[in-house]
Amino acid sequence: GDSVTQMEGPVTLSEEAFLTINCTYTATGYPSLFWYVQYPGEGLQLLLKATKADDKGSNKGFEATYRKETTSFHLEKGSVQVSDSAVYFCALLSSGGYNKLIFGAGTRLAVHP
Amino acid sequence: EPEVTQTPSHQVTQMGQEVILRCVPISNHLYFYWYRQILGQKVEFLVSFYNNEISEKSEIFDDQFSVERPDGSNFTLKIRSTKLEDSAMYFCASRGNTWTSGSGNEQFFGPGTRLTVL
Repeated sequence: GDSVTQMEGPVTLSEEAFLTINCTYTATGYPSLFWYVQYPGEGLQLLLKATKADDKGSNKGFEATYRKETTSFHLEKGSVQVSDSAVYFCALLSSGGYNKLIFGAGTRLAVHP
Repeated sequence: EPEVTQTPSHQVTQMGQEVILRCVPISNHLYFYWYRQILGQKVEFLVSFYNNEISEKSEIFDDQFSVERPDGSNFTLKIRSTKLEDSAMYFCASRGNTWTSGSGNEQFFGPGTRLTVL
């Protein structure tokens, strides 16, 4: 079945460092891909998405490119801030049925001043 | 901006008791979902609901769980006899029609209800 694999955390960075969080997927067809962010004590917020191959999703300085050749959707940010500290979830929209989201395990990011 | 709301934000119950978690999806949305997140783990799909019936459910969604849209606005998740392992954050989500909604296939999540079973 469909699945998402994320790099394990926690990831600890200094402010202004470059961030990469790896995400790969297994799915039939070409599902839409998402990154969600969960700040401490809060719910899930959509960070960015891409709906087809080579699409680049971007928001708040974060970017991710849908790579069908490598079945990847890695999240990047050029210069992280303390306020980016959160858990990041990669997810795909399953192609069958009524489009449930399948999430990766989540990667906790801690940014220190 | 329209948003999904959930009540209560935190529910504490005794094992074996029934709980009902409530959600108000975005008003013109047609597809509704429940997900759960056990503390420190990933978010897992429970059930999807469309046209007043369950369209898909996961293995987690056994006979102890049920969903209902009683009045055209609320969407509820009932757990008949709670177990310790039901302790988790429960998220409701909704989405509009893929072809007519400006948001396409995006699911909008509520803030979650934290369920604690003692």
